[in-house]
Amino acid sequence: ETGVTQTPRHLVMGMTNKKSLKCEQHLGHNAMYWYKQSAKKPLELMFVYSLEERVENNSVPSRFSPECPNSSHLFLHLHTLQPEDSALYLCASSQEATSGRFLEQFFGPGTRLTVL
Amino acid sequence: GDSVTQMEGPVTLSEEAFLTINCTYTATGYPSLFWYVQYPGEGLQLLLKATKADDKGSNKGFEATYRKETTSFHLEKGSVQVSDSAVYFCALSDRSGSARQLTFGSGTQLTVLP
Repeated sequence: ETGVTQTPRHLVMGMTNKKSLKCEQHLGHNAMYWYKQSAKKPLELMFVYSLEERVENNSVPSRFSPECPNSSHLFLHLHTLQPEDSALYLCASSQEATSGRFLEQFFGPGTRLTVL
Repeated sequence: GDSVTQMEGPVTLSEEAFLTINCTYTATGYPSLFWYVQYPGEGLQLLLKATKADDKGSNKGFEATYRKETTSFHLEKGSVQVSDSAVYFCALSDRSGSARQLTFGSGTQLTVLP
């Protein structure tokens, strides 16, 4: 595997289900991100993990729970979602350079989530 | 706060036509600028970038120049192909140029007809 991979690619779930999205990066990066892409809206950054520190967007509901067990893996745990949470969920990774700057982000193919 | 404004789509062109997708930004400091492309059913791919004023990013025949005086980063291609049909996103880093936090435009859908 190369780059950033995401599983599953498609997910349909009911509002009472619990599911998890998985992301894995094979680039040796030290930062990972979750984005939500809804139709006709700009990409919304949900969570950032850099150097194992989590940075949150305060507008993300608590029914979304991220987990980053190591620098290569990132999960998004989902529970009691709403139909408006249906979207494409994108994972990305990047590398902090010696200057302290983070270089460009590389994206996975996304998980298309449908909440019934 | 920082923001990115892209031209409204969709844009429809014939093959071999000239492409311009406008992008302007509002930011403080010295951000880096990016163009990402999203093909149908896929995630975003970095197309090109520029890290300081007057830099020109280029890739696959696409070009964009970082214009600080007009706060713009317009994407251009001299002759588009059907395979260029995709959604194009302009993005801005934070004020120090770090891509840890990116601000994206709303995307421009491009369709190229044979």
